[in-house]
Amino acid sequence: AQSVTQLDSQVPVFEEAPVELRCNYSSSVSVYLFWYVQYPNQGLQLLLKYLSGSTLVKGINGFEAEFNKSQTSFHLRKPSVHISDTAEYFCAVTPLSSGSARQLTFGSGTQLTVLP
Amino acid sequence: EAGVAQSPRYKIIEKRQSVAFWCNPISGHATLYWYQQILGQGPKLLIQFQNNGVVDDSQLPKDRFSAERLKGVDSTLKIQPAKLEDSAVYLCASSPISGLGTEAFFGQGTRLTVV
Repeated sequence: AQSVTQLDSQVPVFEEAPVELRCNYSSSVSVYLFWYVQYPNQGLQLLLKYLSGSTLVKGINGFEAEFNKSQTSFHLRKPSVHISDTAEYFCAVTPLSSGSARQLTFGSGTQLTVLP
Repeated sequence: EAGVAQSPRYKIIEKRQSVAFWCNPISGHATLYWYQQILGQGPKLLIQFQNNGVVDDSQLPKDRFSAERLKGVDSTLKIQPAKLEDSAVYLCASSPISGLGTEAFFGQGTRLTVV
């Protein structure tokens, strides 16, 4: 079984400041990792994913994340945030070995609020 | 490409009533998921279909929840009777059958309030 911990439930940050949203996971098998964003009253949209290869992954809207296997972390970063980045962010994992059953296990989410 | 369509967007019912949600996945996507997202929590998988067969329904409360996927395309999720703790957003997602780390595409969800 897998579990995902998002250490911060709320992160306020001023516009144009950098931000890091933290994600740690636990799994007895290797996993793929994802970050999704959810705007108010919307579904989830994929920001980026790590499957293999370079541990630094770049996504949409200027976000990037770094996979650290030894620390079982997949933290999300953006060097300069905008008001429009205000949303809920979810980290998720799925095991490599699950074949067609690629169910996602989500963290509890981090609400990013960008202040003017 | 059209996205995952869900209806209704919002539903308010009294406890012990029944309710049904509908999902139309992206054309050609063989895998369909229903997730429950309670306020303040991440989505939790309820059931996964591949074509019209159930892959995993281990977290579906089968005494009150049921789901079906007609002809491997549209799906309905039903709750009967509803309880207060069923208040949540119900998200439908779909993905292609093949490919490592295949992305799941989510609909906008149905927000259910049980009073």
